[in-house]
Amino acid sequence: DVKVTQSSRYLVKRTGEKVFLECVQDMDHENMFWYRQDPGLGLRLIYFSYDVKMKEKGDIPEGYSVSREKKERFSLILESASTNQTSMYLCATQDSYSGANVLTFGAGSRLTVL
Amino acid sequence: AQKITQTQPGMFVQEKEAVTLDCTYDTSDQSYGLFWYKQPSSGEMIFLIYQGSYDEQNATEGRYSLNFQKARKSANLVISASQLGDSAMYFCAMRELYSGGGADGLTFGKGTHLIIQP
Repeated sequence: DVKVTQSSRYLVKRTGEKVFLECVQDMDHENMFWYRQDPGLGLRLIYFSYDVKMKEKGDIPEGYSVSREKKERFSLILESASTNQTSMYLCATQDSYSGANVLTFGAGSRLTVL
Repeated sequence: AQKITQTQPGMFVQEKEAVTLDCTYDTSDQSYGLFWYKQPSSGEMIFLIYQGSYDEQNATEGRYSLNFQKARKSANLVISASQLGDSAMYFCAMRELYSGGGADGLTFGKGTHLIIQP
């Protein structure tokens, strides 16, 4: 089974801090995604990557950046955290060669910005 | 415009009853995929079932089935013989090809909170 590991389950940061959320997969999947989840809004796509050093904006990229230096690792960066970025962040990976293109998710990182 | 609509924010169902969770979608693509995920209180998103737009038969996975009505753009999840462990958030999602990239991300609905009562 594909395993998607998000390094931090819970984080508390202060406004203005730089925040790194790390995601590592143990399969050779090309595609990786970052979503944020908020009550009543469902999941919204922030950024995705389909190859090393390649990235594409999703629906809500403002205030975020990403890094993919190695195939197995996809990092989400909040350059200057703000309170409206308090949320659950979910990383997902996808095998682009499988028929259904199912996303496999990590356990999530719950970020609180004070 | 919302691409995935889940009209039931919450549902209470008696244990052992069948449950139908509603999902309608909006796309102009001919080729697309529809997914259902379960999110228990632990937070992890668990893939349940997939239906391709060209699949003629409704998808089934154990107690889960997807009632796919293409003309109505409807993809309801049916859970037979509900169990207490089915209590969770349920998300409907659709696969579309993002222009300019090679990845097929999913667009999610807002979810339905299902509570199974003993």
